[in-house]
Amino acid sequence: GAGVSQSPSNKVTEKGKDVELRCDPISGHTALYWYRQSLGQGLEFLIYFQGNSAPDKSGLPSDRFSAERTGGSVSTLTIQRTQQEDSAVYLCASSLLVSSSTDTQYFGPGTRLTVL
Amino acid sequence: GENVEQHPSTLSVQEGDSAVIKCTYSDSASNYFPWYKQELGKGPQLIIDIRSNVGEKKDQRIAVTLNKTAKHFSLHITETQPEDSAVYFCAARDPWGGTALIFGKGTTLSVSS
Repeated sequence: GAGVSQSPSNKVTEKGKDVELRCDPISGHTALYWYRQSLGQGLEFLIYFQGNSAPDKSGLPSDRFSAERTGGSVSTLTIQRTQQEDSAVYLCASSLLVSSSTDTQYFGPGTRLTVL
Repeated sequence: GENVEQHPSTLSVQEGDSAVIKCTYSDSASNYFPWYKQELGKGPQLIIDIRSNVGEKKDQRIAVTLNKTAKHFSLHITETQPEDSAVYFCAARDPWGGTALIFGKGTTLSVSS
């Protein structure tokens, strides 16, 4: 079946502009995660959505970052007033969160963001 | 919160040799430890995972071991092939962060034929 999809695959923007990154999770997956991967680094947790619960925003690095998940499916990560240090690959993952013991996360291909 | 350290950062082996990647974690309450493989330009793919109620798990040429007392877990790849070349990430689930995964910084594995 279809996996997690993300768009765009690449985004180049100028410092100070806003960007929106989109994630389409696997159909039926109730949990959705955003991670950031900087060059040569591991994945850094940003935000987590689970069903209709309030999202866990504990990983967002600043108030310029926000995310929404509409209708329990598609999610958009928005970065306002982008800075050069925001350049990274932004990865989305989803899981069928039946219980904490079945929380296997499946990743999309990522969006490579470059801030000039 | 949880912290995951991964070693080595790069690993080069000859085809047919074994490769071992090691990770340590800081929070003894962590209970889930997945390993992901990331090929160039792609998102990470889960290759194997282990939960804290078992010490070892094997899937064909890949195995993972977990030592809860020492708080470390390892990935073992036997009979390596060139297509095993990729970046491998270990992760642990932060017990205080819902189901967020805390990742190591990755190991770049190169298998030469």
